Amino acid sequence: RKEVEQDPGPFNVPEGATVAFNCTYSNSASQSFFWYRQDCRKEPKLLMSVYSSGNEDGRFTAQLNRASQYISLLIRDSKLSDSATYLCVVNKFQGAQKLVFGQGTRLTINP
Amino acid sequence: GAGVSQSPRYKVAKRGQDVALRCDPISGHVSLFWYQQALGQGPEFLTYFQNEAQLDKSGLPSDRFFAERPEGSVSTLKIQRTQQEDSAVYLCASNLEGAVNSEAFFGQGTRLTVV
Repeated sequence: RKEVEQDPGPFNVPEGATVAFNCTYSNSASQSFFWYRQDCRKEPKLLMSVYSSGNEDGRFTAQLNRASQYISLLIRDSKLSDSATYLCVVNKFQGAQKLVFGQGTRLTINP
Repeated sequence: GAGVSQSPRYKVAKRGQDVALRCDPISGHVSLFWYQQALGQGPEFLTYFQNEAQLDKSGLPSDRFFAERPEGSVSTLKIQRTQQEDSAVYLCASNLEGAVNSEAFFGQGTRLTVV
């Protein structure tokens, strides 16, 4: 079983739709959580950090459930420019950092 | 520099050849990571440095893979006797050590093709 699991998709949704991604992680010692975005043939870039209280950045909302070891990302009013792969990332601090990535969920927004 | 810089951007190696990939992290970033990303997959952890100390090399797939960061800044990932399965994008990232939720910044990667 992978340490961080995501549905690889692909998700194909129309412009303006709301789309949700989920991610689960197996290591309860994980301390920080992120969503990264990766465009085709580009490097990953931070989309947002994820907090237990939930956090929102414009059209994007992230949630963390530590008890269930579950992370989610909600994108409202999706735009064509949201088409990308979304990577769930967990950082473990056990003497050293270790950023562990999920497989990524591929999203395509259709006009 | 302004961001993480990796070189070369592209490398074609004949099977059995040795390669060296370079990463120049953001100035002042103590932590440096190397990842391997195969097509359609997420980045897979290879190794982690805190300054010049290699604290975790659990992800290196074989003893053909070696990484160093002798002065705590630039890092080199070396692959000896390359095999076709080594073909992938190799990503380097850096962040500030000790900051909760510290963002990791990635370089553009080196795309290695072994023929």
